[in-house]
Amino acid sequence: DAMVIQNPRYQVTQFGKPVTLSCSQTLNHNVMYWYQQKSSQAPKLLFHYYDKDFNNEADTPDNFQSRRPNTSFCFLDIRSPGLGDAAMYLCATSRLHPRVEVYNEQFFGPGTRLTVL
Amino acid sequence: GEDVEQSLFLSVREGDSSVINCTYTDSSSTYLYWYKQEPGAGLQLLTYIFSNMDMKQDQRLTVLLNKKDKHLSLRIADTQTGDSAIYFCAEGHYSGAGSYQLTFGKGTKLSVIP
Repeated sequence: DAMVIQNPRYQVTQFGKPVTLSCSQTLNHNVMYWYQQKSSQAPKLLFHYYDKDFNNEADTPDNFQSRRPNTSFCFLDIRSPGLGDAAMYLCATSRLHPRVEVYNEQFFGPGTRLTVL
Repeated sequence: GEDVEQSLFLSVREGDSSVINCTYTDSSSTYLYWYKQEPGAGLQLLTYIFSNMDMKQDQRLTVLLNKKDKHLSLRIADTQTGDSAIYFCAEGHYSGAGSYQLTFGKGTKLSVIP
């Protein structure tokens, strides 16, 4: 059974046209992450939610926003996509444990491949 | 900031062992991970090791960790054509924001020759 679901799997948008990518989880995890992965590159963390607390990475462009209306759903909004935003966008979840020695695992969705025309 | 480096390509013959190497810089890493990514797919966790361990074996997979040198390796025994994929090394640490984050390498593309 799918645990982290991303929709759509493939998204095509036009230059400058806002687009929203969706992620949902059935794991009841308290943390949700969005990564951007360009071709032949490492996944790069854009931001994450720890419960309702939004944490933006310092170098994430303002063009990227996120919403988490409830525990299960998280959205990535790209306000004005540029050609350089074409990439695979990966959503991940984890249950944060405060004890350092307790194993933390991130569960990844299948990704949404975004094409910008 | 944190950095994770790994070689970009590895080619092996079917049945041989594959060894993928990785180095990292963050001394506060708690766990280190190996993820597998097949074409067009998301990341699949293969195995992980706690930073205080030096070896972990899981069926065909062996992870070696040299914490002093910050060097991690993944050995795949009896490599099969189905093992062809990109393998990402990642280190995990607690961030200033109070949550747990992963830093990934660029991935090693493993090609298995029949």
